[in-house]
Amino acid sequence: GQNIDQPTEMTATEGAIVQINCTYQTSGFNGLFWYQQHAGEAPTFLSYNVLDGLEEKGRFSSFLSRSKGYSYLLLKELQMKDSASYLCAVLDSNYQLIWGAGTKLIIKP
Amino acid sequence: GAVVSQHPSWVICKSGTSVKIECRSLDFQATTMFWYRQFPKQSLMLMATSNEGSKATYEQGVEKDKFLINHASLTLSTLTVTSAHPEDSSFYICSARGQGPSQEGQPQHFGDGTRLSIL
Repeated sequence: GQNIDQPTEMTATEGAIVQINCTYQTSGFNGLFWYQQHAGEAPTFLSYNVLDGLEEKGRFSSFLSRSKGYSYLLLKELQMKDSASYLCAVLDSNYQLIWGAGTKLIIKP
Repeated sequence: GAVVSQHPSWVICKSGTSVKIECRSLDFQATTMFWYRQFPKQSLMLMATSNEGSKATYEQGVEKDKFLINHASLTLSTLTVTSAHPEDSSFYICSARGQGPSQEGQPQHFGDGTRLSIL
């Protein structure tokens, strides 16, 4: 079966750094995506990794290791507005998105 | 960038009413559209996948006679919740995928969602 695992909830302090991990087992791999979703809103695209390594985009970075079936999303200089759910999703061999259950990130002052 | 428009954004109606939600791709041809449902504090759950001009493929446990999906053109898909009841109250989100594996590095472009409340 296909499976994506990420922590259910994480808490961090404003101004700090947090790393959200995602491990996956899917039938084929055509890329891994991270989305941010605020309560009551649709997901918004954050990053896309298809090759191993780190992709940096401002305060957010995403890392991928295909051999380990592992990715992480790194958020730096946390702001209160970063409180949201972060969804990991993998594009499988049929180009279907397989979704993780999401990690709820709580930022404390 | 690619834009998906979803309407209405909020619906409140009486039990037994049928509700139609529209999802339009504004600047690309959506060969495939996805309909998701999300209950409070839960993850997105895929309800069905529809390809233009063909019948939708429903996920296990989703009643196809209750959730009617029409994808008659490359820019429009509709989800009709027939005879809605309070347990159907949820956040419904559509997304669209265009030609090719991905566009601009994104596999799907999301609408803003529809919050459905059945009284």
